[in-house]
Amino acid sequence: ETGVTQTPRHLVMGMTNKKSLKCEQHLGHNAMYWYKQSAKKPLELMFVYNFKEQTENNSVPSRFSPECPNSSHLFLHLHTLQPEDSALYLCASSQEASGSLTIGTDTQYFGPGTRLTVL
Amino acid sequence: GEDVEQSLFLSVREGDSSVINCTYTDSSSTYLYWYKQEPGAGLQLLTYIFSNMDMKQDQRLTVLLNKKDKHLSLRIADTQTGDSAIYFCAESIRGNTPLVFGKGTRLSVIA
Repeated sequence: ETGVTQTPRHLVMGMTNKKSLKCEQHLGHNAMYWYKQSAKKPLELMFVYNFKEQTENNSVPSRFSPECPNSSHLFLHLHTLQPEDSALYLCASSQEASGSLTIGTDTQYFGPGTRLTVL
Repeated sequence: GEDVEQSLFLSVREGDSSVINCTYTDSSSTYLYWYKQEPGAGLQLLTYIFSNMDMKQDQRLTVLLNKKDKHLSLRIADTQTGDSAIYFCAESIRGNTPLVFGKGTRLSVIA
């Protein structure tokens, strides 16, 4: 148990559906992340939020829409996905979003992931 | 630019030592990490080393850092079947950049 939870753990959706992934961290961290992990690309950073502000969007298609209402919660809203979007979606959190001289402030702690299948 | 390289696969016999290697390019790295990912799970932080250290030992795990060559390794002594997983190397760079991850090394332990 890392202090980062994700729901649901498994999700199957059609291409016309709208669904949301939820991530919650109980570590008092200020930064949260969404990653996509697939067989083709082992670990792709999608979005970074630091103090509820989006600081990074790695050219992610608009059918993925993140939301960070507070530092403890992160959502990924999904709509009109494609079969190639099937993957494991991982959430992570850290005390801060970038490195500094302070010990391990950007050490990331991961949730268990949501396995998404798009039919 | 930042880049972290790892070999993709490693196979060892149970009871032997495993050595997983990683190279990185950014000389301003402050911390270097090893994460373990078991099948169907998220990444679990295994250990980390500060860039002014050259070795860190934690039970069966030994981390070696050669800063001159920008080379990091993870040695697992007496490898067990439960060590079968993907191991990710990651570097922390001071500034506005999140952790940079390698592609992961899949360790298979043969009984």
